[in-house]
Amino acid sequence: DVKVTQSSRYLVKRTGEKVFLECVQDMDHENMFWYRQDPGLGLRLIYFSYDVKMKEKGDIPEGYSVSREKKERFSLILESASTNQTSMYLCASRTTGGVLETQYFGPGTRLLVL
Amino acid sequence: DQQVKQNSPSLSVQEGRISILNCDYTNSMFDYFLWYKKYPAEGPTFLISISSIKDKNEDGRFTVFLNKSAKHLSLHIVPSQPGDSAVYFCAASDDDYKLSFGAGTTVTVRA
Repeated sequence: DVKVTQSSRYLVKRTGEKVFLECVQDMDHENMFWYRQDPGLGLRLIYFSYDVKMKEKGDIPEGYSVSREKKERFSLILESASTNQTSMYLCASRTTGGVLETQYFGPGTRLLVL
Repeated sequence: DQQVKQNSPSLSVQEGRISILNCDYTNSMFDYFLWYKKYPAEGPTFLISISSIKDKNEDGRFTVFLNKSAKHLSLHIVPSQPGDSAVYFCAASDDDYKLSFGAGTTVTVRA
């Protein structure tokens, strides 16, 4: 069974803290994605990775970085959290060459930055 | 600027009736469109898709219509059931890789 897991369901952090959001997939997918979901804006792509150690900026990369040291794990890093990064963060994965329908999402991490 | 727009944030429909969700896009290079369904505390799951070479795709109670000249697509759910209550996202792609999402429409099916 397909599985994308995210390390935390809820997270509360203080402004200025460094925050790590972890995502793990067990499907041997090459491609992994980080989105944020905000009311009225839908899902917006932050970063994606098409292979280990490879990354590309999405539509809203400012304030974020990513790490992909192993194929199954994709980390989103908030170097210095700010209140405008309070959001729902969704990770997804897909195999290279796979149809778009095979992009699977994790359950999300709801981050609150105080 | 959002390239995929869902202008109705919410929709309430009686059980057994038709639900119609609308989606507009601005990027004429989009050639593949998908609908995702999202329950609270879960990630979005794929529902139905359509390629730009078609104008209709059906899967059980779900039908997606595409009007390329109007840059408009719609999702019809017939008949609506209580389990259909969820947030529905329209998504589009022009590179078989990245997806652009709309803001979502929250559907509530009343018993």
